[in-house]
Amino acid sequence: EAQVTQNPRYLITVTGKKLTVTCSQNMNHEYMSWYRQDPGLGLRQIYYSMNVEVTDKGDVPEGYKVSRKEKRNFPLILESPSPNQTSLYFCASRGPYGYTFGSGTRLTVV
Amino acid sequence: GENVEQHPSTLSVQEGDSAVIKCTYSDSASNYFPWYKQELGKGPQLIIDIRSNVGEKKDQRIAVTLNKTAKHFSLHITETQPEDSAVYFCAASLPRVLAGGGADGLTFGKGTHLIIQP
Repeated sequence: EAQVTQNPRYLITVTGKKLTVTCSQNMNHEYMSWYRQDPGLGLRQIYYSMNVEVTDKGDVPEGYKVSRKEKRNFPLILESPSPNQTSLYFCASRGPYGYTFGSGTRLTVV
Repeated sequence: GENVEQHPSTLSVQEGDSAVIKCTYSDSASNYFPWYKQELGKGPQLIIDIRSNVGEKKDQRIAVTLNKTAKHFSLHITETQPEDSAVYFCAASLPRVLAGGGADGLTFGKGTHLIIQP
């Protein structure tokens, strides 16, 4: 089954403790992206990657890092999480028929 | 950049009635308009899309209309059913050469919570 898999689904962490949210797709898509979803703000793009080793900032990149060492994986890294990064995060990949989203990671930073 | 406005933020309709969600966009260069459905605990799923060379597209109970002159597009759901209850997002996309920072230029509306009353 074609899918985007994110882990973990839920995460509670403390301010300043580095964390990584993993994302993997099995559709051989070149383009992958991370979004955050906040009430009343919709989906906002954090980072995207056009292909392996090619990444760039989206609309809200501050406080996040990404890497794309292989086509299928696109992890999101929070080096020093802060409470304003509490959000619902979605990874997505884009193919010829549009975007496929993962099931989301609900992150709480206390 | 592109700005997408979506209305209403919440829509409650009786089962069997029709539902209409409207979006406007700001950049006349946008040429691709997808709609996503997000069920509780899941990621958004593409349900229908339309390109700027088409005025209307239909898929069973779902249709999308596009008015390029007025820069608005709408989602129409007929004969609503309980499983239609979800949050719906519209989006607009610029051609990649114009997209700038997002490369794909996909800008989302803020979402509409559709509630189907039994």
